[in-house]
Amino acid sequence: QKEVEQNSGPLSVPEGAIASLNCTYSDRVSQSFFWYRQYSGKSPELIMSIYSNGDKEDGRFTAQLNKASQYVSLLIRDSQPSDSATYLCAVNMDTDKLIFGTGTRLQVFP
Amino acid sequence: EPEVTQTPSHQVTQMGQEVILRCVPISNHLYFYWYRQILGQKVEFLVSFYNNEISEKSEIFDDQFSVERPDGSNFTLKIRSTKLEDSAMYFCASSVGRLNPAGYTFGSGTRLTVV
Repeated sequence: QKEVEQNSGPLSVPEGAIASLNCTYSDRVSQSFFWYRQYSGKSPELIMSIYSNGDKEDGRFTAQLNKASQYVSLLIRDSQPSDSATYLCAVNMDTDKLIFGTGTRLQVFP
Repeated sequence: EPEVTQTPSHQVTQMGQEVILRCVPISNHLYFYWYRQILGQKVEFLVSFYNNEISEKSEIFDDQFSVERPDGSNFTLKIRSTKLEDSAMYFCASSVGRLNPAGYTFGSGTRLTVV
């Protein structure tokens, strides 16, 4: 079965620190990879997408993809309390549906 | 910024009743989706819809579920005879293209409570 795995957390980091969120996926034909942020009771909000090996930076966020290791990560620099949320890793595999992980809950404390 | 609009935000229904969840996708998007999230669990794919037909559906999307784009703007999810286990947040999403690296835009969701 095609799976996306994430540590459920919570991951607790102090304000200003780097938060590192990790995700592994099972299907080697996966094509596109997404990080969504979800606040409690709200819908997923796209933060980053990546589909080539390497790093992709957007402001305080960096997505890293390693297809050989079937691993994708999200770094959040200068973490703020407003970054406290659940971060969902999602993967397009062989169709256009998204397979989501269970999410990692991030807590940024002042 | 364009939005995907979902109504109602919260629906309470009795077991066995039919419900229709409504969505207005972004106007130039061509691919439409329904996902659900049971409380505390992962977001799960239900169905994708393109060119007025279902392009893919999951095992969850059984004969009790149907989708429709009745008028070129709305996109609806109907559950014919609701069960307690259908209680979840239902998210509509739309995308400008298939396997779009920009991802989907999700609506704000409908919380369905079956009692």
